[in-house]
Amino acid sequence: EAQVTQNPRYLITVTGKKLTVTCSQNMNHEYMSWYRQDPGLGLRQIYYSMNVEVTDKGDVPEGYKVSRKEKRNFPLILESPSPNQTSLYFCASSPRQAAGPGYTFGSGTRLTVV
Amino acid sequence: AQSVTQLGSHVSVSEGALVLLRCNYSSSVPPYLFWYVQYPNQGLQLLLKYTSAATLVKGINGFEAEFKKSETSFHLTKPSAHMSDAAEYFCAVSLGGTSYGKLTFGQGTILTVHP
Repeated sequence: EAQVTQNPRYLITVTGKKLTVTCSQNMNHEYMSWYRQDPGLGLRQIYYSMNVEVTDKGDVPEGYKVSRKEKRNFPLILESPSPNQTSLYFCASSPRQAAGPGYTFGSGTRLTVV
Repeated sequence: AQSVTQLGSHVSVSEGALVLLRCNYSSSVPPYLFWYVQYPNQGLQLLLKYTSAATLVKGINGFEAEFKKSETSFHLTKPSAHMSDAAEYFCAVSLGGTSYGKLTFGQGTILTVHP
């Protein structure tokens, strides 16, 4: 089944403890992206990647890191999480062609930083 | 630069009534436009998209949207609401080309359907 898989689904951590949220897609998509969703703010793009080793900042990149060493994986790294990073995070992937199916989203990771 | 504004954070309709969710965009070049739906505790699902072909776009679950360049709008409609349409809906824009990966979302509209 074509899908984007994020892990974990739920995560509670303490301020300053480094964490990684994994994202993997099995559709051979070029584009991958991370979003955070907060009530009243919609989804805001954190980082996106147009292909292996090619990444760019989205609208809210501060406090986050990403890497794209393989086409299928796009992990999100929080080196020193803070409470304002408590949010619902989504990973998504898309083929390069605009006429394609658009972004496919993962099921989300709900992160709480205490 | 690109941006999206969804008018109305909450819309309430009766079952069987017309659904109209409003979306206006700002873009310096012809945009690609999307509507996504999010059911409770789930990810986002693509409803439909405009990629410069037909201006009236039909999507899943009976939804459609019309691209109006003069009004910079991409409103989502459905002739007859069903209880299962209750969800949050997001409009999104990207500029295409090398900026295609940068997808910008609106704030979302929560649709409530009353019996």
